[in-house]
Amino acid sequence: DTEVTQTPKHLVMGMTNKKSLKCEQHMGHRAMYWYKQKAKKPPELMFVYSYEKLSINESVPSRFSPECPNSSLLNLHLHALQPEDSALYLCASSRSGRGNTEAFFGQGTRLTVV
Amino acid sequence: GQQLNQSPQSMFIQEGEDVSMNCTSSSIFNTWLWYKQDPGEGPVLLIALYKAGELTSNGRLTAQFGITRKDSFLNISASIPSDVGIYFCAGGSGNTPLVFGKGTRLSVIA
Repeated sequence: DTEVTQTPKHLVMGMTNKKSLKCEQHMGHRAMYWYKQKAKKPPELMFVYSYEKLSINESVPSRFSPECPNSSLLNLHLHALQPEDSALYLCASSRSGRGNTEAFFGQGTRLTVV
Repeated sequence: GQQLNQSPQSMFIQEGEDVSMNCTSSSIFNTWLWYKQDPGEGPVLLIALYKAGELTSNGRLTAQFGITRKDSFLNISASIPSDVGIYFCAGGSGNTPLVFGKGTRLSVIA
């Protein structure tokens, strides 16, 4: 099983709303990631959790707040987003946080900020 | 930071033709990964390479880890319409996260 599950698949939110994206994996992976992807661009790393601790924050604005409740779950809390934050948000996991391991992606959440 | 040059950016081919794309870097990588992404979906891992010189196949797909560890290529033989999508290479090393190429957009004409 190489499945990473993301919910919801689509989300439309207003600039004053608070919402959360959820990600789950049951592969026993100890690293989980959030990426943001704009159209026709590669995934852009936002956060890395390794062994449930935040290890990398790629200078992401504080309106994005990650949370890792346990080794299988990863959330991304959204608050006061801007229209330019509209994108495909991808979750991924890998055995470890080291760059030389395979990363498996979820199907993404298509976020539209209005 | 590390960067990958992926080429071509896009290609239009006839069904049945073979396809070749590659990634090069000025830095050494310990891992090369190839992903395919369909519109509105997440990238799906196609092939993972871990050793310099390694040649690995997955069905009609073949990928190689360059001897210098600075490049990799992906070949698709006898393309079919469902091969349409964006292909990304990704290089990995040490404790740094994966570095992604900018993608090759493949269109197949039936």
